Amino acid sequence: AQTVTQSQPEMSVQEAETVTLSCTYDTSENNYYLFWYKQPPSRQMILVIRQEAYKQQNATENRFSVNFQKAAKSFSLKISDSQLGDTAMYFCAFKDSNYQLIWGAGTKLIIKP
Amino acid sequence: NAGVTQTPKFRVLKTGQSMTLLCAQDMNHEYMYWYRQDPGMGLRLIHYSVGEGTTAKGEVPDGYNVSRLKKQNFLLGLESAAPSQTSVYFCASSYSSRGLNQPQHFGDGTRLSIL
Repeated sequence: AQTVTQSQPEMSVQEAETVTLSCTYDTSENNYYLFWYKQPPSRQMILVIRQEAYKQQNATENRFSVNFQKAAKSFSLKISDSQLGDTAMYFCAFKDSNYQLIWGAGTKLIIKP
Repeated sequence: NAGVTQTPKFRVLKTGQSMTLLCAQDMNHEYMYWYRQDPGMGLRLIHYSVGEGTTAKGEVPDGYNVSRLKKQNFLLGLESAAPSQTSVYFCASSYSSRGLNQPQHFGDGTRLSIL
C-alpha cells in the first residue's frame, strides 16, 4: 500500500528564517505526482506546490521550493524568508495511477515574530 | 469566486440522527471527493465521484452514502450518526484525473459533532 510519512509533528522558526519540512513516501510506481498543501487556521486547504515524478528539476513557487529525491522517495518543502502568514498545517500528498490522493499526517508550522 | 462551497459549516447531531452535507462547485470539474480529517491524521477519502451519476468508495466509506445527481453537486449522507463520525469533513473537486497533475480544490470544511 502507498504511504506518506511526515516525521515532524510540529516545527517553529523565527520570522525571516528558512525552514524545511520533510516528507517521505512509499510506492512501487514510476510515474506519480507529489503535492504540498497548506491549511491555515481558517481551515481552508490551499495548494502550495506540486512535483511530477519524472521531472528531475525541483519545483519552485516564489519562496517555496522542494527537494525531490526520487531514489530516496523523499519530497521536502523549503520555505525561504518565512512570514507570519506561513503559520499553518502543511500536508504532503501523493497521487498515483489510481488518481487518488494519499495524505501524510501533517506538520504544524509556527512562525514566531 | 465561489469555487467549492460546503454547507453547513457547523452541525451538532445526536447519535442515531441522520443528515446530509452538501458540496457545490462552479468550476465544471468532473471529479468530486469527500474526505474526513481527524486530529493527528491526514485526510482520509470517504467516497468520490468521477462524473454525474457515478460514485465509488474510498478508504473509509462505512456509515456514509453519497449521491451525484448533478455535475456541480456532491452530497454526503450519514444515515445513523455515531460519535466516531465526529470529524471535520472536506469536499474537493478537480478536473478529470486523466492528468495526474490536476490539483484538487477544497471547500472550507464542515465541523460535525455527534453527541
